[in-house]
Amino acid sequence: KAGVTQTPRYLIKTRGQQVTLSCSPISGHRSVSWYQQTPGQGLQFLFEYFSETQRNKGNFPGRFSGRQFSNSRSEMNVSTLELGDSALYLCASSLASGSSGANVLTFGAGSRLTVL
Amino acid sequence: AQTVTQSQPEMSVQEAETVTLSCTYDTSESDYYLFWYKQPPSRQMILVIRQEAYKQQNATENRFSVNFQKAAKSFSLKISDSQLGDAAMYFCAYRSAKGSARQLTFGSGTQLTVLP
Repeated sequence: KAGVTQTPRYLIKTRGQQVTLSCSPISGHRSVSWYQQTPGQGLQFLFEYFSETQRNKGNFPGRFSGRQFSNSRSEMNVSTLELGDSALYLCASSLASGSSGANVLTFGAGSRLTVL
Repeated sequence: AQTVTQSQPEMSVQEAETVTLSCTYDTSESDYYLFWYKQPPSRQMILVIRQEAYKQQNATENRFSVNFQKAAKSFSLKISDSQLGDAAMYFCAYRSAKGSARQLTFGSGTQLTVLP
């Protein structure tokens, strides 16, 4: 079974630009979460989507947004990029609630964003 | 809000020896889940082991086991018979059992080096 797929794996942008990252969850997984990982702040929760609805959101400015499609694929968007947005962005998926596996997040390999 | 603390930024162990990574957490909730994830140089987050707070028995997965002390809010990971492939950054993570959100709160990580 294919894992969580994130694209692109690496990208370089300049300040003020915007970026869209994509995440395809494991087949059958309906929950998708996004995390930002930086050396200074560590791993921080961005948001979670379930059945195309944002279920939870972390403490990030409105420049960070996301969405989920009917096939459970998710995208996150960062507008007006700042140098501090340089990070590894990790996507994770999990089963719907009610299953013993619902508590486990399976992560993708991440998208490394560099903002110049 | 819940917090997770990993007080050992770096640890090293000799191959075939045993090492214990520490994790403490702070929560007012009684039902929750705890996880250890490893992140090798490839940056892919891999689940090592999980523990449900309502279970008294410590979780075990092959060479990996935990010492879960609920009253002390401590959740340490023991790696037995350490192998070179165990070298990675290890993250302790907390997830509330309340509601349906899957948000994980991570510790700052422990970088484990395995010496041949």
